[in-house]
Amino acid sequence: DSGVTQTPKHLITATGQRVTLRCSPRSGDLSVYWYQQSLDQGLQFLIQYYNGEERAKGNILERFSAQQFPDLHSELNLSSLELGDSALYFCASSHMARDGAEAFFGQGTRLTVV
Amino acid sequence: TQLLEQSPQFLSIQEGENLTVYCNSSSVFSSLQWYRQEPGEGPVLLVTVVTGGEVKKLKRLTFQFGDARKDSSLHITAAQPGDTGLYLCAGATGAGSYQLTFGKGTKLSVIP
Repeated sequence: DSGVTQTPKHLITATGQRVTLRCSPRSGDLSVYWYQQSLDQGLQFLIQYYNGEERAKGNILERFSAQQFPDLHSELNLSSLELGDSALYFCASSHMARDGAEAFFGQGTRLTVV
Repeated sequence: TQLLEQSPQFLSIQEGENLTVYCNSSSVFSSLQWYRQEPGEGPVLLVTVVTGGEVKKLKRLTFQFGDARKDSSLHITAAQPGDTGLYLCAGATGAGSYQLTFGKGTKLSVIP
């Protein structure tokens, strides 16, 4: 158990819909990262938050957004869903005490868009 | 865009054999991490290497960071079925954001 909790574990939704994925980081970790993992692209960095503020953006579509709340949990919002958005979405957290800080991953949310 | 190329993409070996997985890039990374991921689970960190030429050992696993900090290798001695999984390398850019660039992974199957 990494200490990072993601909900829900599975999500099936229709094209055009909007979903919210939730992540609770490890206790004491201030940094949260979101990654998308698909079969053809591997793990792709989407976005990072540190102590409530956006820190870095990766390959995140404009239809996607995220935020980190005062209690440090984070949500990833995916809207106008397309079939190609089907993937595993992982949240990771780190204390960010140093460069390349160890990131602990949650078990992921498997999103299926039908 | 910084890319990490992993090879081989798939590897199927018999229990007891040795294997090496490679992770290469044209970019320099401030540190490099190796993760192992099992089906339905998130990646689990195995090791972080930060110094060019560094070698780290974790039981039967040996990790090496290239002198120029552009490449890395993972060597497994006497592989066991429990080693089966997806091995991912990930590089940190050192740009302050602490984001990781992942390779696509090597899927290892160790046959009893």
